[in-house]
Order: sequence, then structure tokens, then C-alpha cells
Amino acid sequence: GDSVTQMEGPVTLSEEAFLTINCTYTATGYPSLFWYVQYPGEGLQLLLKATKADDKGSNKGFEATYRKETTSFHLEKGSVQVSDSAVYFCAPGVGSRLTFGEGTQLTVNP
Amino acid sequence: GAVVSQHPSRVICKSGTSVKIECRSLDFQATTMFWYRQFPKQSLMLMATSNEGSKATYEQGVEKDKFLINHASLTLSTLTVTSAHPEDSSFYICSAPGQGSYNEQFFGPGTRLTVL
Repeated sequence: GDSVTQMEGPVTLSEEAFLTINCTYTATGYPSLFWYVQYPGEGLQLLLKATKADDKGSNKGFEATYRKETTSFHLEKGSVQVSDSAVYFCAPGVGSRLTFGEGTQLTVNP
Repeated sequence: GAVVSQHPSRVICKSGTSVKIECRSLDFQATTMFWYRQFPKQSLMLMATSNEGSKATYEQGVEKDKFLINHASLTLSTLTVTSAHPEDSSFYICSAPGQGSYNEQFFGPGTRLTVL
């Protein structure tokens, strides 16, 4: 079946630091790739997505590139803010079905 | 973007009682909805796929008699936890796919169930 391996957390950074959260996946078919974010006490929100190889998804300063050859979709941000503190989930999707990684807890300190 | 609501946001019940959780797509129709369970500091586990007008499809290991799903209309799916026990305490989340071709899911805010 489909699976996702996501960088273990928790991750603690200082404000303005560089962020990378690694994600690799296995999937049947040709998945679309998503990063979802869950802020404290809230539901999941789509952060960014990429639908085919070499596509780069971006939103709110976050970026991730669909790497088919390495089956990866690493999340990056050049300068994190305190407000980025949340849990981040990598999720490949085939059809309407998503497979979630374990989630990475990010805490950004001022 | 599309909005999915859940009700109630949190519920506390006694062991042995049944609890119903509603999931609604507010501004779009959803022939399919998904129900997830999230344990503290863990990932989302897909429990079942709710299909409008037909039976739900349950994931392996999920008791269909325990977690009853009814998708009565194109905007409403309900999850009923029957004869709840403390081990059923969890965060239950629903989602519905968007209208586009990119498989984007829109998630409800979740329901915190605590069984005493």
C-alpha cells in the first residue's frame, strides 16, 4: 500500500531560521502531493500542492518540489516566523484518497 | 475555498452510550466524504469512506458495527460511535474532496470525543 516517511519531530527553531522537513513516499499510480498544516486547536489546512513531476508548490513562503526520481516532496522555508508553529503533514494522494505522514511538530521561538 | 463543518466540536459521554458526529459540506456537494481518527501527537488514520446513497467502505481493522456511517445527502455525512468506551476517545476528523482535478481535500475542524 501507499506510505509516507516524514522527518521526525519535534523541530524547534529560532525565528528567521531556515526550515526543511523531509518527506518521501511510495504510491501506486501517479500521485498528487500535498502538504497540510494543523495549527494548535484547528483542523487541517492545505498549505501547498504539486500535481506532476518537477512542479513546485508554494504558499506563505513555503515551497516544495515534486521529485519523481527520488519520490520526495521536501518542505522548505527560508525564514520561519513564530506564527509558523504548527504540525505539518505530508500526504500523497491518488484519486480522492490521501495517505498521511506521521506529522512533524514545528515550534518557532522568538 | 470550500468549507466543511463538523458538529459538535467536542463531546463528553458516558461509557456505553452512542454519539453522533455530523460532517457538512457548506458550499459544495460531496458524493464522497472521508472519516479519520487522530490520536494525540500522531497522524490521521483513515477509518472509512462515506458514499452518498450507498454503503460506506471501511478500512481494514475498523469495526463497521461500532462506527456507523450514514451519507444521507450530498452535503451531510454522519459518524455514530455506538456503545462508546474510553478507548474510543479520540479526535475525529472528516474531509470532502474538492471539485477540481487535483484531489484536494477540505477538512472539517474535528470533533474531540471523550468517553468517561
